[in-house]
Amino acid sequence: AQSVTQPDIHITVSEGASLELRCNYSYGATPYLFWYVQSPGQGLQLLLKYFSGDTLVQGIKGFEAEFKRSQSSFNLRKPSVHWSDAAEYFCAVGAYNAGNMLTFGGGTRLMVKP
Amino acid sequence: EAGVAQSPRYKIIEKRQSVAFWCNPISGHATLYWYQQILGQGPKLLIQFQNNGVVDDSQLPKDRFSAERLKGVDSTLKIQPAKLEDSAVYLCASSLGNPEAFFGQGTRLTVV
Repeated sequence: AQSVTQPDIHITVSEGASLELRCNYSYGATPYLFWYVQSPGQGLQLLLKYFSGDTLVQGIKGFEAEFKRSQSSFNLRKPSVHWSDAAEYFCAVGAYNAGNMLTFGGGTRLMVKP
Repeated sequence: EAGVAQSPRYKIIEKRQSVAFWCNPISGHATLYWYQQILGQGPKLLIQFQNNGVVDDSQLPKDRFSAERLKGVDSTLKIQPAKLEDSAVYLCASSLGNPEAFFGQGTRLTVV
């Protein structure tokens, strides 16, 4: 069975500072990896995805993530955080032979200090 | 392109009452999912449809939850009777048949 761990429940960064959100997954084969963002009262918006190929993937809103198979990680990064980035971030893993369903981590709540 | 539509956005009911949520997926998406998101947690899959057939409903509490997807398009999720622990956001998502899912804005259910 696949699983996802997001070790940091809350993270606070200053506006303009860099950001890294951690994600570790467990899956026996090559996973499909995703980062979603959720603002209060909203659904999930896809930030970026990794299916294959280049292990550094670029997403929307200036986010990027790097797939490291040896560490079973898919950490999300942004070089300079904006106040509007405050939200909940979810890492998810999916696989074709698991019926395509997504398994989500528990989420990381990002707060941005002015 | 229109996204996944869900209604209602908010619902407050008393325990033991029934409630239904509606979802219209992105046009052409054969796969439809219902997820439950309890406050402070990540979404958890309740049921997955491929066209109008059920692929996975292993996490659906079948004594009180039911879902259908007639004609392979719209879907309805029903809870009867509701319990306090059913308070959550119910998210509908759809996909073309790969793991990339597109989510609706969700229905926030409060059971009092």
